[in-house]
Amino acid sequence: SQTIHQWPATLVQPVGSPLSLECTVEGTSNPNLYWYRQAAGRGLQLLFYSVGIGQISSEVPQNLSASRPQDRQFILSSKKLLLSDSGFYLCAWSGGGSNLYYEQYFGPGTRLTVT
Amino acid sequence: AQSVTQPDIHITVSEGASLELRCNYSYGATPYLFWYVQSPGQGLQLLLKYFSGDTLVQGIKGFEAEFKRSQSSFNLRKPSVHWSDAAEYFCAVAPNSGNTPLVFGKGTRLSVIA
Repeated sequence: SQTIHQWPATLVQPVGSPLSLECTVEGTSNPNLYWYRQAAGRGLQLLFYSVGIGQISSEVPQNLSASRPQDRQFILSSKKLLLSDSGFYLCAWSGGGSNLYYEQYFGPGTRLTVT
Repeated sequence: AQSVTQPDIHITVSEGASLELRCNYSYGATPYLFWYVQSPGQGLQLLLKYFSGDTLVQGIKGFEAEFKRSQSSFNLRKPSVHWSDAAEYFCAVAPNSGNTPLVFGKGTRLSVIA
C-alpha cells in the first residue's frame, strides 16, 4: 500500500532563517505531488504541484520554492522565513499519470511556527 | 470563475442526530467531486468521491454524498453522528476538462455535543 511521510512534524524557526520541509511517498511510482499551506482557521492554499522530476508549477508567488529531485521526493524551501510563513504545511500525492483530477492523499503535515 | 462553496463555516449537532454538510460548485460541466475530513493537527482523509454513475455515493465512516446536477451540489450526509465525527470537512472539485488540480472549499467545522 502507499504511504506518505512528512518531516519534521513540528518546527520553530526564527524570522530570516532558511527552511526545508521534506515529503516522500512509498508504494507508488510517478505520483503527482502537491504542497499546501493552512493558516490558522483558514482553508487549504495550494502552493506548488509537480507531475514529474524537475517539473514544478507554482500557484502563489511568494518567498517559498519547491523542488523534486527524485520521483517520490518533494521538498519545500525558503531562503528567509517571514512571520507570515507560519502555518500547517501539507504534502499530498495523486496517481493517474500526469492527470491532476484524481483524488489526493495527504501526509500528516508539518506545523511551522516562525518567531 | 470556477469555484467551490461551502456555505456553513461551523455547524453544531447533537450526538445521534443526522448531519448534512453543503457543497456547491460553479463549473461549466459536471466535475469530479470529493469530500475530505481533517481532525485537528492531522492531514486530510478522503471520505468519498464521485466521478460518474450513481449519484448517491457511499464512503467510509458511514458517510454518503449525493450529486445533484440541477443544483450544482454535492452534499455530505450521515444519518447518526458520533462524537468522533467532530472535525473539519472539505469539499473538493476537479473539472473534467483541462488538467488542473483539485479546488478545495474553505471547509465546514463540525462540533458534536452530547
